Amino acid sequence: ETGVTQSPTHLIKTRGQQVTLRCSSQSGHNTVSWYQQALGQGPQFIFQYYREEENGRGNFPPRFSGLQFPNYSSELNVNALELDDSALYLCASSLTGGTTEAFFGQGTRLTVV
Amino acid sequence: DQQVKQNSPSLSVQEGRISILNCDYTNSMFDYFLWYKKYPAEGPTFLISISSIKDKNEDGRFTVFLNKSAKHLSLHIVPSQPGDSAVYFCAASGGFGNEKLTFGTGTRLTIIP
Repeated sequence: ETGVTQSPTHLIKTRGQQVTLRCSSQSGHNTVSWYQQALGQGPQFIFQYYREEENGRGNFPPRFSGLQFPNYSSELNVNALELDDSALYLCASSLTGGTTEAFFGQGTRLTVV
Repeated sequence: DQQVKQNSPSLSVQEGRISILNCDYTNSMFDYFLWYKKYPAEGPTFLISISSIKDKNEDGRFTVFLNKSAKHLSLHIVPSQPGDSAVYFCAASGGFGNEKLTFGTGTRLTIIP
């Protein structure tokens, strides 16, 4: 059973640029959620994808977008990066309809300069 | 508006003693609660959960208590071990733990040998 993996682990981008973060979900899971964790804060829900459709969104602007692929892997895209986007981005996979909890990847540390 | 609050940013406990971590919530729609543990440079790891229909759930050294009328839950770790030193996040959802999670800001637990 493979766990949740995210790539890259660290990334430095310049303000105004665009970034794509990737997540491979755990085997058997069909749902992926993305969270942003700023320094000293708890993770904040960005959005969730189920069967390639967005299935809930938190309080984040449209420049945060995502995709889920047929193999249930996912991407998080952020356009027009701002300094405040610097954070740890966490991907969590789960099984909608099941009763197991979400499993998190190790995260991608994004620094915007 | 912080719907899940962990008012103690840090806690130090002697090895072998009981660690008690607290969490308060404001949203009455929450009916599933989870605790995650996070080490540096790793994603959150699921620890234990409780449904709102219960007031206690136990798993080995870990016990979670839920007081719905007070909108309060706590995590008890007995006995505390050095490997328990980590940041602990309380999270809540409106359904099972595979849905959108609302996290607290975390409590850093340090176990003193």
